[in-house]
Amino acid sequence: QQQVKQSPQSLIVQKGGISIINCAYENTAFDYFPWYQQFPGKGPALLIAIRPDVSEKKEGRFTISFNKSAKQFSLHIMDSQPGDSATYFCAASRYNTDKLIFGTGTRLQVFP
Amino acid sequence: DSGVTQTPKHLITATGQRVTLRCSPRSGDLSVYWYQQSLDQGLQFLIQYYNGEERAKGNILERFSAQQFPDLHSELNLSSLELGDSALYFCASSVPVGGNTDTQYFGPGTRLTVL
Repeated sequence: QQQVKQSPQSLIVQKGGISIINCAYENTAFDYFPWYQQFPGKGPALLIAIRPDVSEKKEGRFTISFNKSAKQFSLHIMDSQPGDSATYFCAASRYNTDKLIFGTGTRLQVFP
Repeated sequence: DSGVTQTPKHLITATGQRVTLRCSPRSGDLSVYWYQQSLDQGLQFLIQYYNGEERAKGNILERFSAQQFPDLHSELNLSSLELGDSALYFCASSVPVGGNTDTQYFGPGTRLTVL
């Protein structure tokens, strides 16, 4: 119940394309769903986050789509750039100061 | 730069030894979280402190302990080290004094290698 399942494990996208990463959860008590971006040798950095009261949130080229009934959420990266090449983690928590439960990560490579 | 600092950046030690990892949260943040990142287990929550008190415990081994000091910095102590403890250890902080925030800000991590 505490798991967050993430797919795909790796993703290769052409520059300008759309990158889509999916996550699914079981625990209906989860109330906060962030996405973190991690570059090699660095700590995870918050990219964008959503709460279950909205179905979509967009910040620049990054969009989270949230399906509460299916218990799924996804990250869409529009116009993917080589600089987006990193590992992306979805996560979930029960409330805003709770521990984060992370997905297994997706390694994104964007080729020029 | 997240504002969270961790020292040391790298640590190489032998099995059976004890090490201490240090974390300074963002200025004013009351909550500190420790996470372990390994190739086979991914990013896993270890323990959380809030204003000096232990708030939550995750998959933390009995050989590991942590504390948060009055100045809000935190230390993670790992003892009787085993090869399998080799990993990246991240500290994150959140919740500024008088504030209410969702975001956990992660430090750059400490890479621990046990030989």
